[in-house]
Amino acid sequence: AQSVTQLGSHVSVSEGALVLLRCNYSSSVPPYLFWYVQYPNQGLQLLLKYTSAATLVKGINGFEAEFKKSETSFHLTKPSAHMSDAAEYFCAVSDRGITGGGNKLTFGTGTQLKVEL
Amino acid sequence: GAVVSQHPSWVICKSGTSVKIECRSLDFQATTMFWYRQFPKQSLMLMATSNEGSKATYEQGVEKDKFLINHASLTLSTLTVTSAHPEDSSFYICSAQYGTQGETQYFGPGTRLLVL
Repeated sequence: AQSVTQLGSHVSVSEGALVLLRCNYSSSVPPYLFWYVQYPNQGLQLLLKYTSAATLVKGINGFEAEFKKSETSFHLTKPSAHMSDAAEYFCAVSDRGITGGGNKLTFGTGTQLKVEL
Repeated sequence: GAVVSQHPSWVICKSGTSVKIECRSLDFQATTMFWYRQFPKQSLMLMATSNEGSKATYEQGVEKDKFLINHASLTLSTLTVTSAHPEDSSFYICSAQYGTQGETQYFGPGTRLLVL
């Protein structure tokens, strides 16, 4: 069984400040981990993914995340927030296909990022 | 690359009618497609997993006779909401997966269904 916990349903930062969105996971197998971003009334866009290669993963739009097995975490960061970063962010863990029929994703409850001037 | 489209983006229908939503992978062949449902300000809930040429696998609690899924080709999956009722109103999102290990899902833009 897998689960994802995103601490903080709402995060507010000033433009230019560090963005830190927290994600902790639980998985019975070595996980694949993902961060997706969702803008209003749109689908999800992949920001970055961890699939057992480098533990520090760089994604689009200046985001990166670090896989820490000892902490079961995959926190998302960006050094300097931009107004366009305001959106909903979802962390997800994959079952790597162990339950059959493709890699099922289990999503966290999401974090709404607000960027203020 | 890895573009997934959905059609329609918006649909309003009367209670009791059926609605079909299409999900297409435009520039790759999708080994597997997934259908999700998202309620306002909530996370995505997986409804079913669809593999080309075989029956869909539904998650627990999802009525397979209510939500008919057809995955006729490697680029097209359809979700039909049969005899829709107001409680079926939601945002439906599909995703498609490809690659040797197929670890990444690429999502469509979603379809907003409103049942009156």
